[in-house]
Amino acid sequence: DADVTQTPRNRITKTGKRIMLECSQTKGHDRMYWYRQDPGLGLRLIYYSFDVKDINKGEISDGYSVSRQAQAKFSLSLESAIPNQTALYFCATSDWNSGNTIYFGEGSWLTVV
Amino acid sequence: AQSVAQPEDQVNVAEGNPLTVKCTYSVSGNPYLFWYVQYPNRGLQFLLKYITGDNLVKGSYGFEAEFNKSQTSFHLKKPSALVSDSALYFCAVRDGNTDKLIFGTGTRLQVFP
Repeated sequence: DADVTQTPRNRITKTGKRIMLECSQTKGHDRMYWYRQDPGLGLRLIYYSFDVKDINKGEISDGYSVSRQAQAKFSLSLESAIPNQTALYFCATSDWNSGNTIYFGEGSWLTVV
Repeated sequence: AQSVAQPEDQVNVAEGNPLTVKCTYSVSGNPYLFWYVQYPNRGLQFLLKYITGDNLVKGSYGFEAEFNKSQTSFHLKKPSALVSDSALYFCAVRDGNTDKLIFGTGTRLQVFP
C-alpha cells in the first residue's frame, strides 16, 4: 500500500462545480503539502500545513482552500472550478526526521471542462 | 529569494553513455538540495539530497550528484545511462525561511537504445 494516498486519481468536472481532492498518509509525518504540476512550469506549491493547527498559503493559493482534518489527512478544495485549474495535483508529506525530504503521492489528474 | 534553475528542457543520451542533468541554485545561507524523478503517470520519487558533508552525493538507481558551491550547481550524473532512466527529473532547493521545497521546471531525460 502507498504511504501517501490520493483520491480520486482522475476526475473530470464542469466549470463552476466544487471538487475536493483528498490525501491520507501512513508515514506519521506532521507536514503535508499540496502541489500543482503544469507542463513547463514544474511544481508549484498551493498550500502547506506543518501540523493540524497550522495552514499556510503557497505561491498559487487563489481559487483553492484546504482542510487538515487530522495529522494524517489533508484535503484540497476547488470551490468553483475553472478550466485553467486543469492540472496534475500532488499531495506530499515530510517531517523534521526525514531531513526535509518530501514524499509524494501518485497524483490526481483533474480536468475542468 | 530562493530559486533553482534547470537550463535544459530535454537531455538526450545513448544507452551506456554517461549522463548529466544540470541544476543551478540561488539561496541565502546553506543550501539543502534535492533531486527527484518522475516516471510516466507516477508521482515524484526521491533520488538524493545534499545537506552537508561530501560534495559528491550518491543516491538511488546508480545516480549521483555533485555539489559545487563556487558555481552554485548541483548537477545530477550517472556513469552509464539505461533506457529505463528515461523520465522527468526535478531539482529542488529548500527555502531556509519557510522550510518549503522550491522546484525547478524539470528536465526530460531521453535515453536511446
